[in-house]
Amino acid sequence: GAGVSQSPSNKVTEKGKDVELRCDPISGHTALYWYRQRLGQGLEFLIYFQGNSAPDKSGLPSDRFSAERTGESVSTLTIQRTQQEDSAVYLCASSLRPWGSNYGYTFGSGTRLTVV
Amino acid sequence: AQSVAQPEDQVNVAEGNPLTVKCTYSVSGNPYLFWYVQYPNRGLQFLLKYITGDNLVKGSYGFEAEFNKSQTSFHLKKPSALVSDSALYFCAVRVLHNTDKLIFGTGTRLQVFP
Repeated sequence: GAGVSQSPSNKVTEKGKDVELRCDPISGHTALYWYRQRLGQGLEFLIYFQGNSAPDKSGLPSDRFSAERTGESVSTLTIQRTQQEDSAVYLCASSLRPWGSNYGYTFGSGTRLTVV
Repeated sequence: AQSVAQPEDQVNVAEGNPLTVKCTYSVSGNPYLFWYVQYPNRGLQFLLKYITGDNLVKGSYGFEAEFNKSQTSFHLKKPSALVSDSALYFCAVRVLHNTDKLIFGTGTRLQVFP
């Protein structure tokens, strides 16, 4: 696609429910990243995919968080038993790799998750 | 640990005046440095990057940034601010140890007043 697409754009869920967030990267982008942005705060790294493997998942906050990626395509971030502190905007980005002189992330518009 | 710091939560400037948004970094090896901008209810947009070469990097919307190795800084600048430049600005550094990702600063909110 022309850009990074995330769905849903907004999600309100009850505390304790599971949620799935989806990211469609730019076609041909082998690297995919998930970040979390809490209200008024910076971007917190969650996980990095190269193809369908995740060399770095050091930013996942707890075992309630997991992510997978199908080939060099769609990724889903799953949060189980959601808590109020999970409320945030979840941003996905993709990039070409190996990084060349034209490197740069392209971000999606994010999924705003609200846990009530 | 590799990181970036944005010491100012907010920068206020009058339209037409020059602006500076500060960023310092801590990395091992040669740094790859980036600036991104986030407008309200929109995703992050790439402004510019420093990989190698000239210390003064020019980017989108008239922004530029100066890489200063001795001061480990990468401040974002614009000679004449516009009201439409009001947004949240993030500095980022590439981290390569056991990974390949960008680490972002906490962000600086720029307010340009008419």
